[in-house]
Amino acid sequence: KAGVTQTPRYLIKTRGQQVTLSCSPISGHRSVSWYQQTPGQGLQFLFEYFSETQRNKGNFPGRFSGRQFSNSRSEMNVSTLELGDSALYLCASSSLLGTGGNEQYFGPGTRLTVT
Amino acid sequence: DQQVKQNSPSLSVQEGRISILNCDYTNSMFDYFLWYKKYPAEGPTFLISISSIKDKNEDGRFTVFLNKSAKHLSLHIVPSQPGDSAVYFCAAQPGGGADGLTFGKGTHLIIQP
Repeated sequence: KAGVTQTPRYLIKTRGQQVTLSCSPISGHRSVSWYQQTPGQGLQFLFEYFSETQRNKGNFPGRFSGRQFSNSRSEMNVSTLELGDSALYLCASSSLLGTGGNEQYFGPGTRLTVT
Repeated sequence: DQQVKQNSPSLSVQEGRISILNCDYTNSMFDYFLWYKKYPAEGPTFLISISSIKDKNEDGRFTVFLNKSAKHLSLHIVPSQPGDSAVYFCAAQPGGGADGLTFGKGTHLIIQP
C-alpha cells in the first residue's frame, strides 16, 4: 500500500505570494490532517478534513485554508505569505475522523521557505 | 501555553540499555496519548499509543506508562538499538477526536555504541 505523498517536497516563495500544497492520503483513508512544524513552535495542528468537510481547526489565521476532494486528496493554501510561514508542512491521513488513539500516517512533508 | 511538554531536548543512551523518554501534559481533557518517531527528512512514524483508561501499554521493545494523577507519561525502549536514534514526539488528543493532535517539541534520542 502506498504511503502518504506530498507535493512539492520543497518550495521557495516571496513574501506576499500565495502557495498551494498537495497531499494524497493512503488509499481508503478519508481523514486528512495538516500540521506545521517550526523550530520554535514544534508541530502544530492546522486543520482536519473528513469526507470533503473541515471537521477540526487549529489556532491559525484565516490566511491558512484547505480543502478536500471526493477522492480524499487534500490541498492546503496559504495566502499573503509572511516570513514566519517558513516551515515544514506535514500531512497525515487516517481511516477515522480524529484519531481516538488510532495512528495517523504522516507524509514526508513540504519544506516551504518564504524570502 | 504549551499543553504537552518534553523537557529533555536530547538524551544519550548506551546501546543495549533502557531509554526513558518523558512527557508531561496540562490539559485534563486529553484522553489519548501517542508517541511518534521522526528521522530527518521524513514524516513522523507512529510508535505506540495509550488510552487514559490504561496505565501501561506494551508493544515489543516499546512500553508506554501513563500516570494520570501526575499528568505524566513515559516511553521505555528496551533494549535500545542504534536504529532507535531519532527525534521522539509525544502527542495527545481529547476524547472524541474533537481536535487534532497536540505535540510536544520532541526529544532527540542518541544511542551510543
